[in-house]
This record gives sequence, structure tokens and C-alpha cells, in this order.
Amino acid sequence: NAGVTQTPKFQVLKTGQSMTLQCAQDMNHEYMSWYRQDPGMGLRLIHYSVGAGITDQGEVPNGYNVSRSTTEDFPLRLLSAAPSQTSVYFCASSYSRESPLHFGNGTRLTVT
Amino acid sequence: GENVEQHPSTLSVQEGDSAVIKCTYSDSASNYFPWYKQELGKGPQLIIDIRSNVGEKKDQRIAVTLNKTAKHFSLHITETQPEDSAVYFCAASKNAGKSTFGDGTTLTVKP
Repeated sequence: NAGVTQTPKFQVLKTGQSMTLQCAQDMNHEYMSWYRQDPGMGLRLIHYSVGAGITDQGEVPNGYNVSRSTTEDFPLRLLSAAPSQTSVYFCASSYSRESPLHFGNGTRLTVT
Repeated sequence: GENVEQHPSTLSVQEGDSAVIKCTYSDSASNYFPWYKQELGKGPQLIIDIRSNVGEKKDQRIAVTLNKTAKHFSLHITETQPEDSAVYFCAASKNAGKSTFGDGTTLTVKP
């Protein structure tokens, strides 16, 4: 039981490049979400999903796309990377509305 | 939307002392209040949570209190140990997948 697995752990992009951050969970959780964490700030919600085929925007969705074709996977796509997207990205999953979030160990992204 | 404020941003205590971190929230419909501990290079991990129908919950050295009327909740750590040193986040939500987090408290426990 690996929990929530994020890949890659580190990534450097040039401005304008695109990439996909991968997230997979093996706990059969319906709820999955993406957060970004910037220095001195809490985690801010980018996008979330309440089940396969259902996604919605969070607090800071601009510049990011998501899809949820399976229960296990919830990839985050950066369409055209910008320096403002330099951050640590965390994927999380939960069993239900009132269950705790299980986080991956993050992807540290630098955009130059 | 929901807004969560967390204080203090940094907290330094001597080993064995108690530590208290406080959070306030704005949305009276929020009904789930978890606390997470984040160690360097890792994702946050749940340490304790409380639901809106409960006023207090305790787990060994850790306790959380909730005042729904005042819209604030607090984390209490007693008999602190060096391994308690980490960043702590409070959160509030109506939907766990859509939690709003405080900005975090860096706790340092000095031996």
C-alpha cells in the first residue's frame, strides 16, 4: 500500500514549456486534489475531484488543467509554464467529505 | 469563500513545555477541522482532527478544542519533545477535498 505517489520529485522548466505532474493513489479514495505551497504560505487549492469524470476549480486554477479518467490517477497539467508557477505541488486524496487528506511527498517545480 | 487565519507563525518552546497554536475561520458552514504536521521535504500528515459536533478531542499529548460560536479552534501539545519540531497547519472545510489551510506555524522545541 503505497498511499499517494507523486512523480517527478523535482523538475526544472523553461518559461513557456508544458508538463504533466503525475499523481496516483492506491487507497480507492474518491476525493483527490492538487495544492501548491509557497514559502510562508499555507497550501492553496488548485483543482479537485470528487470522483472519476468530475473535476472543479479551486482557489488558484489559472494556468493548470486536470482530468480524472480513473479513480486512481489525477494528473496536473501546466499548459505554458511561468516563473510564478515555481512552487512545491502536493497531491492529496481522501475517503469522504469528512475524512483527512492523505498527501504525497510533493513535486518541487522551478520555472526559469 | 472560507478564510483561515493561524497564529503564531513561529513558536519556540523548551522541551517539556506546552505549545498552543490558534486558528480562526470565517465560514460558519465549515464542519471539519484537521491539523497537519509537515516535516522537511515531506507532505503534511494528519495528527488530529475534530468535527463540528464535538468541542474537544484528545490523543495522548495532543488535544484540539473547537468553539463554533467564536469560529476558532486550537491545537495543544503538552510535554513537547524535540521530535515535535515541524510546521503545523490547521484547515477548515465542508468538503475534505476542498480544504482551506492556515499559513502554518513553525514550532521549534529546544532540548
